[in-house]
Amino acid sequence: GDSVTQMEGPVTLSEEAFLTINCTYTATGYPSLFWYVQYPGEGLQLLLKATKADDKGSNKGFEATYRKETTSFHLEKGSVQVSDSAVYFCALSDHASGGSYIPTFGRGTSLIVHP
Amino acid sequence: EPEVTQTPSHQVTQMGQEVILRCVPISNHLYFYWYRQILGQKVEFLVSFYNNEISEKSEIFDDQFSVERPDGSNFTLKIRSTKLEDSAMYFCASREQGFDTEAFFGQGTRLTVV
Repeated sequence: GDSVTQMEGPVTLSEEAFLTINCTYTATGYPSLFWYVQYPGEGLQLLLKATKADDKGSNKGFEATYRKETTSFHLEKGSVQVSDSAVYFCALSDHASGGSYIPTFGRGTSLIVHP
Repeated sequence: EPEVTQTPSHQVTQMGQEVILRCVPISNHLYFYWYRQILGQKVEFLVSFYNNEISEKSEIFDDQFSVERPDGSNFTLKIRSTKLEDSAMYFCASREQGFDTEAFFGQGTRLTVV
């Protein structure tokens, strides 16, 4: 079945540091890939997405590139801020999953940014 | 901007009681989902709903759980006889047609079973 593997957290960085959160996936079809962010006490918000190989999703300074050859969708940001502290979830939605396109989530990676 | 709305935001219930969690998906969306997140853990799929019926469900979604879309706008999750381990954050989500569309999530209902 489909699955998403994310790096273990928490990731602790100083403000303005470079961020990478690794995500790899296994899918039977040709999935769309997503990053969601969950701020403390809130729901899941879409951060960015990519729907085909070599697509780059970007939003709020975050980027991720759909790499089919390595089945990866790593999240990066050049300079993090304290306000980026949250839990980040990598997810996929697979065309082959019987038509329901059920989003499948990774375990989430907690990011803590210190001033 | 359209959003998914969930009520209540927090529900406390006694073990063995029935609870109904309510969701209003985005109006032109066709696929509806319930997910669960036990504190600090992964977001787990419970059930998907399309064309007025369950399209898929996980092992978690046993006979104690049911979903309904009673009036074309609300989408409810019922837990018939709650257990302590049902304590979690429950998220409703909806999405448009198409595999490349993202799911929009509500703010969640925190269910505490005592």
